Amino acid sequence: KNEVEQSPQNLTAQEGEFITINCSYSVGISALHWLQQHPGGGIVSLFMLSSGKKKHGRLIATINIQEKHSSLHITASHPRDSAVYICAVIKGNLIFGKGTKLSVKP
Amino acid sequence: DAGVTQSPTHLIKTRGQQVTLRCSPKSGHDTVSWYQQALGQGPQFIFQYYEEEERQRGNFPDRFSGHQFPNYSSELNVNALLLGDSALYLCASRRQGADTQYFGPGTRLTVL
Repeated sequence: KNEVEQSPQNLTAQEGEFITINCSYSVGISALHWLQQHPGGGIVSLFMLSSGKKKHGRLIATINIQEKHSSLHITASHPRDSAVYICAVIKGNLIFGKGTKLSVKP
Repeated sequence: DAGVTQSPTHLIKTRGQQVTLRCSPKSGHDTVSWYQQALGQGPQFIFQYYEEEERQRGNFPDRFSGHQFPNYSSELNVNALLLGDSALYLCASRRQGADTQYFGPGTRLTVL
């Protein structure tokens, strides 16, 4: 079993829909990253959080340390949000989930 | 301020060859980590360099080695390439003690 599990693996949404991507982990961590990876490979860090909730534009990330669970929400989704979203936990170095491939259709 | 840069962007090698990938960290960063991302998978940690020494290592064979230079740039070397080494190799840098890592664009290695 992977130390970091994401769901769903693939997600197709219509423009404007509310998106939720989930991440569960089984190890003790100091913090958790949500990352965005576009085709071609470049990775951008969206959030790093160790408790509570963070918001940036249409993106919201929450974490529950006790339940070892985090969620990434996208409100009013847009085709430009199409990408792979990766959860990574910080335990010494980064341990990554396999990613969720999001496709937002116009 | 340049972010993390990697070279080359793409590389094609044949089985048994050796390859060297390069990474320049973001300005002010002194710690460099390397990751391997196979197609459809999340990145896997290879190793981390700080003060020109390998500080942590993931579950990769000795064919994978690295180096960090006094200017904090780093190289990843892979010997005796296997087909399974085909992947996107990502470099990330940070300041020692900071949690946030900044990623380079990656080098896509294809082994034929």
